[in-house]
Amino acid sequence: NAGVTQTPKFQVLKTGQSMTLQCAQDMNHEYMSWYRQDPGMGLRLIHYSVGAGITDQGEVPNGYNVSRSTTEDFPLRLLSAAPSQTSVYFCASSRTGADSDTQYFGPGTRLTVL
Amino acid sequence: AQSVTQLGSHVSVSEGALVLLRCNYSSSVPPYLFWYVQYPNQGLQLLLKYTSAATLVKGINGFEAEFKKSETSFHLTKPSAHMSDAAEYFCASNTGRRALTFGSGTRLQVQP
Repeated sequence: NAGVTQTPKFQVLKTGQSMTLQCAQDMNHEYMSWYRQDPGMGLRLIHYSVGAGITDQGEVPNGYNVSRSTTEDFPLRLLSAAPSQTSVYFCASSRTGADSDTQYFGPGTRLTVL
Repeated sequence: AQSVTQLGSHVSVSEGALVLLRCNYSSSVPPYLFWYVQYPNQGLQLLLKYTSAATLVKGINGFEAEFKKSETSFHLTKPSAHMSDAAEYFCASNTGRRALTFGSGTRLQVQP
């Protein structure tokens, strides 16, 4: 199993550009989520999904869109990048999303918006 | 709302010394609690988790944590630090929000 994979590893955007961060998991997990990590703030939830076709907002959803057409994939779209979106983005998955489930994290995408 | 507080953004210990990383939670209901470790330029890896089965939880790499309800704490310890333990450590809780609430992290430095 590859676990949770993310592409790209690094990305530099100009303000106003759009892009999609890719996330895939091969563990047949129902629950997937996106977090952003900023210095001194831990990780904060952007969006999550409890299954194909079902998504919901997290703590910091503004400026981001998600969709879940398959169990395996959960892409994160930046519609019009802003410098405030410079961050490290982590995708995570868990078996069902139950509170006691372990969440498995991808290696992250480091995004810089100029 | 639940929150997680990690005391000390940086902790430095000597190799072979005790590691103690502090975590306090606030929750109106019993939480599930997790410790994750992040090595440089990598994702987060689970060290251990508390799910109410036992208050003393043993994890990977010799780490353990004790859940103390009276103190609302879940501190992470390791008897003897190794150079390879240098990393950032995150405490997190989950109480029904379908997402982890993370502390701000503690960077552990191990001196030779």
